[in-house]
Amino acid sequence: GAVVSQHPSRVICKSGTSVKIECRSLDFQATTMFWYRQFPKQSLMLMATSNEGSKATYEQGVEKDKFLINHASLTLSTLTVTSAHPEDSSFYICSAPRGLAGGPGVDTQYFGPGTRLTVL
Amino acid sequence: AQKITQTQPGMFVQEKEAVTLDCTYDTSDPSYGLFWYKQPSSGEMIFLIYQGSYDQQNATEGRYSLNFQKARKSANLVISASQLGDSAMYFCAMREDDRGSTLGRLYFGRGTQLTVWP
Repeated sequence: GAVVSQHPSRVICKSGTSVKIECRSLDFQATTMFWYRQFPKQSLMLMATSNEGSKATYEQGVEKDKFLINHASLTLSTLTVTSAHPEDSSFYICSAPRGLAGGPGVDTQYFGPGTRLTVL
Repeated sequence: AQKITQTQPGMFVQEKEAVTLDCTYDTSDPSYGLFWYKQPSSGEMIFLIYQGSYDQQNATEGRYSLNFQKARKSANLVISASQLGDSAMYFCAMREDDRGSTLGRLYFGRGTQLTVWP
């Protein structure tokens, strides 16, 4: 079964609104989570690294004030797209690596099912 | 330089045949991990197989095997006995284990769209 959940799976919103996406590790603790963005028929682009208890690390070119990341607990990271515009429409997907203390699959990085955001 | 290169944008294979998806990587880190993921049209990323840089044997998981050639820096995915449900996008990815940590980000290739026909 899934070990990383993501909610919502799909969201349609009006331009100017903010959208929050949640990423949860279901049966393991994740001090680090990653947020990716994927355009149709393209690869995954890392947006930021979410660190529990500290500030997120953003990739070059990603606006920190636009994409707010909060990693408030060892099982939850949230991505908030603030004042969304049509160009923010994309597929957002999170992942979490399972550390050495996590039991089976220690070297695997698990992905959430993704969130398809459409901004009208 | 690209850390992961997948040179095949699309591949076609007949059902029940084997297919090889190419992947080459570039890193100076002595410790790293290589992954293959399958992404169907639903968008979810499905983990298929993992190979550690120090693993002596090629990884296998059911119908999937990873042809790891360290000197050539290649990590090709072999799917045996293809099924119609194997049609999807396939991504090769690498994690560099900086200072021994296995919690790092993944670098992805551009992907290969595999189509299995009856």
